[in-house]
Amino acid sequence: GNSVTQMEGPVTLSEEAFLTINCTYTATGYPSLFWYVQYPGEGLQLLLKATKADDKGSNKGFEATYRKETTSFHLEKGSVQVSDSAVYFCALRKDSGNTPLVFGKGTRLSVIA
Amino acid sequence: GAGVSQSPSNKVTEKGKDVELRCDPISGHTALYWYRQSLGQGLEFLIYFQGNSAPDKSGLPSDRFSAERTGGSVSTLTIQRTQQEDSAVYLCASSLDGASDEQFFGPGTRLTVL
Repeated sequence: GNSVTQMEGPVTLSEEAFLTINCTYTATGYPSLFWYVQYPGEGLQLLLKATKADDKGSNKGFEATYRKETTSFHLEKGSVQVSDSAVYFCALRKDSGNTPLVFGKGTRLSVIA
Repeated sequence: GAGVSQSPSNKVTEKGKDVELRCDPISGHTALYWYRQSLGQGLEFLIYFQGNSAPDKSGLPSDRFSAERTGGSVSTLTIQRTQQEDSAVYLCASSLDGASDEQFFGPGTRLTVL
């Protein structure tokens, strides 16, 4: 079946440090890939997405590239801020549409000043 | 505009009681999803609605769980004879239609079964 594996947290970084959160997936066909973010006290919101191989999703300084050869979609940011502290979820959706998201277990990021 | 809303925000109940959780999707969104977020388990899919019909109920963990959607809008998730393992945050999401990539999530209902 379809599944997503992401690095376990928590991850604690100093402000301006480089961030990588690893995400790999198992899926048949060509899924769409997503990163969702959950800020403290708020609901999940879409951070970025990529719908086909070699696509790069980007938003708010975060990037992730859809790598079919390694079945990965790692999240990166060059310089994190305290306001980036949140839980990050990698997710996939099968390519057939009308399907739910399959999430990883989430990675909690804490950025300290 | 208004986002997805859920009520109640918190629910504490005793084991064996029934609970009803409500989701109000974004106006005009035809697809609606229920997920459950448990400590250490991440987010798991429960059920999906397109309009008022539920083509995918595969994630409901037992027959104690049911959901309905009326008028293509509000949805209720009902858990009968609650058990302690039902304690979790129940999230609702909606999207413009079933093919849309982006799902918009509500703030969730935190259910605690004592």
